[in-house]
Amino acid sequence: EVQLFESGGGLVQPGGSLRLSCAASGFMFSNYAMSWVRQAPGKGLEWLSTIRGSGNSTYYADSVKGRFTISRDNSKNMLYLQMNSLRAEDTAVYYCAKDPRAGIVVTNWYFDLWGRGTLVTVSS
Amino acid sequence: SYELTQPPSVSVSPRQTATITCSGDKLGDKYACWYQQKPGQSPVLVIYQDNKRPSGIPERFSGSNSGNTATLTISGTQAMDEADYYCQVWDSSAIVVFGGGTKLTVL
Repeated sequence: EVQLFESGGGLVQPGGSLRLSCAASGFMFSNYAMSWVRQAPGKGLEWLSTIRGSGNSTYYADSVKGRFTISRDNSKNMLYLQMNSLRAEDTAVYYCAKDPRAGIVVTNWYFDLWGRGTLVTVSS
Repeated sequence: SYELTQPPSVSVSPRQTATITCSGDKLGDKYACWYQQKPGQSPVLVIYQDNKRPSGIPERFSGSNSGNTATLTISGTQAMDEADYYCQVWDSSAIVVFGGGTKLTVL
């Protein structure tokens, strides 16, 4: 079955760090660009970051650039998001999502598969 | 930065046609897609590349994109279509942009 499963969320204090993981299964993980998208409670979707299938190119939203780092381990079919200097406004459900097109996709990203999300709460 | 604007809410009667708009500067020059999100669930892609339906999405969902507006149309709306809908584009500054979302209520 094609699926994504996020883990690693939880309660963290402001200024703290957290590493999210996303386990992929059912497809050739290394062939697809992967992304992180978050949704604050009661709010809309916000794209955070994308990494190409090879892992050699990464892209970030201004809101997280310099604080968050996306990475992947294609040998383990895993996607990661290292989050540092967390703020209260980072409180959200974090989703990993897959672009549907295999190969080197440099434009027009969109997402055909989403995980169930993992909740990150930043609070003292 | 690029912005997409959606109406916060749209109401429709069962079996009628629902129209949800998404506005942005020269949006018609970009590919738009749409996601459906029901309470407590992850988003689901319902339209991509302006007007294509993924496998498994009912034919009553259709899309268009021209000028400054992309439109999601749901024909013969059913109660199960009640959800939040988000438009999304990729901007040339290499970022993904979502609209603010529209809550569709089926009265």
